[in-house]
Parts: sequence; C-alpha cells; structure tokens
Amino acid sequence: KQEVTQIPAALSVPEGENLVLNCSFTDSAIYNLQWFRQDPGKGLTSLLLIQSSQREQTSGRLNASLDKSSGRSTLYIAASQPGDSATYLCAVPGSGGSYIPTFGRGTSLIVHP
Amino acid sequence: KAGVTQTPRYLIKTRGQQVTLSCSPISGHRSVSWYQQTPGQGLQFLFEYFSETQRNKGNFPGRFSGRQFSNSRSEMNVSTLELGDSALYLCASSRTDSSNQPQHFGDGTRLSIL
Repeated sequence: KQEVTQIPAALSVPEGENLVLNCSFTDSAIYNLQWFRQDPGKGLTSLLLIQSSQREQTSGRLNASLDKSSGRSTLYIAASQPGDSATYLCAVPGSGGSYIPTFGRGTSLIVHP
Repeated sequence: KAGVTQTPRYLIKTRGQQVTLSCSPISGHRSVSWYQQTPGQGLQFLFEYFSETQRNKGNFPGRFSGRQFSNSRSEMNVSTLELGDSALYLCASSRTDSSNQPQHFGDGTRLSIL
C-alpha cells in the first residue's frame, strides 16, 4: 500500500526566504507526482505535475524535483511571499495499473511580512 | 473557462438522512473523481468516473455511491448518514484518464452531520 509523507508538517518563515518542502513515497512504481496548494476553505489548486520520466518541473518561482529511485520529491519556493501562505500537498497515483491516488497530509506554510 | 463547480457549498443534515452532492467538471473534461477530506484522515479517494463508468473505487462503505451523466456531470450520494461523514467533499476533473493528467478541483461541499 502506497504511503506518502510530507515534512515538515508546518512551517512559518519571514517573507523573502527560499523554501524546500519534502514529499516521500514508499512505492516507487509511480506514473507521476503532483503538487497542489490548498487555501483555507477551498479546493486544491494544481501547481506542478511531474511525469515519471522527468526529473523536475518549473513554474515561476516554483520548482519541483522527482527522484523515483529514492522515493522523494521536493518543492522549492523561491523568494517566498505572504500570498504563498497555504497548505501544500503532494499526491501520487496508484501502481499496478490501477489509479487510486494517495495524498500526503500536507505542509502548512505561513509567510509573514 | 469555467472551473469545476460543486453544489451546494454547505449542507447540514442529521444522522440517518441521505444526501446528494453535485459536480460539474470543466468543459471538455471526461473524468471526474471524488474525495473526502477530514482533519483526522486527510484527503481520501472515493471513486472516479470516466465516460459514465466507474473506473476506480476507494475503501469506503457501500453507503457512498456515485454516477456520471452523459454530459460528464457527476453526483455523489451518501445514504444513512453518520456523524463521521462530516467532511469537506471535493470533486476533481481531468481531461481524460486522470492517472496521467493534472486534476482540477472544485471548492468542495462542506457537509455537517448533526
């Protein structure tokens, strides 16, 4: 059974810092890995989708890397801003031909001015 | 382009009742997935529909059911509601097979059971 762990569970930083959020998974036979952000009381917003054949994806100040062999992904946020405050979740689909996604519990990020 | 729309946004029910939640996917998206999010269990997969057929099902009791219509809109039904069913129910759509496509989420339906 796939298990996804996100570290740290919570993070509070001053504006301008560069951040690294971690996601680890137990079954490396994944098709892809997706990073989301969730604002309070809202649904999830897709940030980046990394295919299993890729090593990293970039979107603006966000960069996500994937190392399947070690079962790890990192989300790098450059020059953090208060608007980045949210919960960040990673998700992987199931393996063995059946897509049942598993989500991590998320990293709750607060960026204070 | 309109996003994923879920109705209603909030719902209060009592134990034993049943409830139906609705999800309209992004235009052109044929896959719809449903999730339950609670503080205790996090985000858990309920089921996925593609072209009116259930493709995958999570580990939930038979009280949780769903369906998809020919226009890709989907409904989720929960019968004999229990206190533990209180949660944020999220719907997500993707263009085709959701295993390799980014998922786009609605803002959810917050269900409270009294």
